[in-house]
Amino acid sequence: DVKVTQSSRYLVKRTGEKVFLECVQDMDHENMFWYRQDPGLGLRLIYFSYDVKMKEKGDIPEGYSVSREKKERFSLILESASTNQTSMYLCATIAGGYEQYFGPGTRLTVT
Amino acid sequence: RKEVEQDPGPFNVPEGATVAFNCTYSNSASQSFFWYRQDCRKEPKLLMSVYSSGNEDGRFTAQLNRASQYISLLIRDSKLSDSATYLCVVVMGGFKTIFGAGTRLFVKA
Repeated sequence: DVKVTQSSRYLVKRTGEKVFLECVQDMDHENMFWYRQDPGLGLRLIYFSYDVKMKEKGDIPEGYSVSREKKERFSLILESASTNQTSMYLCATIAGGYEQYFGPGTRLTVT
Repeated sequence: RKEVEQDPGPFNVPEGATVAFNCTYSNSASQSFFWYRQDCRKEPKLLMSVYSSGNEDGRFTAQLNRASQYISLLIRDSKLSDSATYLCVVVMGGFKTIFGAGTRLFVKA
């Protein structure tokens, strides 16, 4: 079974804080993704990484950055959190048949 | 036009009913297709892959129609535990994955 874990299930941060969300997968997959999910908007891709130290912008990268120093770990960074970044953040990895496996999600509230 | 479109529902059905969801996609070069299930406040989980020949997993049947660019999911003998949001997922080249916004299903006793 593919296992994807995320560092926090719930997080409350203040506007302007730097926020780190971590994701770890145990399947040695090369590709990892960060999404945010908002009601009525579905899942939107923020960034993805296809190898260590490699990254590509997704559809909504503004206000975010990522880090992939090790194959199993992919971090999402909110440089200066804003209230419009309150959302559910989901990390995923992709298997050989293109199916994605998600972590449990981090529900971030920025006040 | 959205790249992947689903009827948001909600679909309210009694236990034992058969319910069908459709999803249309706009890019004819799309390569892989899936249905995911998402429970309230949880992550999406893979339900099944979708093939042109159709595939069945117990009470669930998925079908792909490439000519008309739609995929479908049929749930027979609905259970209370089937209540969830069902996401249609389309993969284009290079891992580009588009998620539908989801169809909500409520199965009532």
